[in-house]
Amino acid sequence: ETGVTQTPRHLVMGMTNKKSLKCEQHLGHNAMYWYKQSAKKPLELMFVYSLEERVENNSVPSRFSPECPNSSHLFLHLHTLQPEDSALYLCASSQEKGGGLAGVNEQFFGPGTRLTVL
Amino acid sequence: AQTVTQSQPEMSVQEAETVTLSCTYDTSESNYYLFWYKQPPSRQMILVIRQEAYKQQNATENRFSVNFQKAAKSFSLKISDSQLGDTAMYFCALRGGSQGNLIFGKGTKLSVKP
Repeated sequence: ETGVTQTPRHLVMGMTNKKSLKCEQHLGHNAMYWYKQSAKKPLELMFVYSLEERVENNSVPSRFSPECPNSSHLFLHLHTLQPEDSALYLCASSQEKGGGLAGVNEQFFGPGTRLTVL
Repeated sequence: AQTVTQSQPEMSVQEAETVTLSCTYDTSESNYYLFWYKQPPSRQMILVIRQEAYKQQNATENRFSVNFQKAAKSFSLKISDSQLGDTAMYFCALRGGSQGNLIFGKGTKLSVKP
């Protein structure tokens, strides 16, 4: 269905749990992104990886920890989350020119993980 | 700071008619790109149309077209001959300069009625 897959699609966790979200892209892209989508708020960029190096971190709380072991996989490790962290977490990928982020290529999104923190 | 504003939280249109979704933005970049993304109820976000700011000609993709007014910093999306499958959230997004991330608006929920 899509070049970007995310697992799990739904996740319910307690505030003391540790879990991980996984994203995989099959498009040969060199940049990957994590976004948070909350109700009635714009999508918020959390992390950007270009050529497996993190290039931007928008002051996301440390309870969110990204990992990009290679250009096709991206993880978001979660620990001691708060109920306000409940949201849809979207992964995206793109092919950036010259390995930097100056290109104009579109970002392809995964279906998202619906996270509920109790 | 870059911002994107979508002033219409919800809209509806009759099947086969035309609807226009509004978007305004602000950026200090001279070179930037604008996008409209569609997110159907299944949640897969897909690109609808894109516009490079340096191009004066409005982008068109089949039934989708934009009205890009650079001086007014306006980027509206027109959907012609609306179809039931066009029902979705529509997000306007801005990507400025060398920044890789997209700045999104809050979205407009479009319902196409039979």
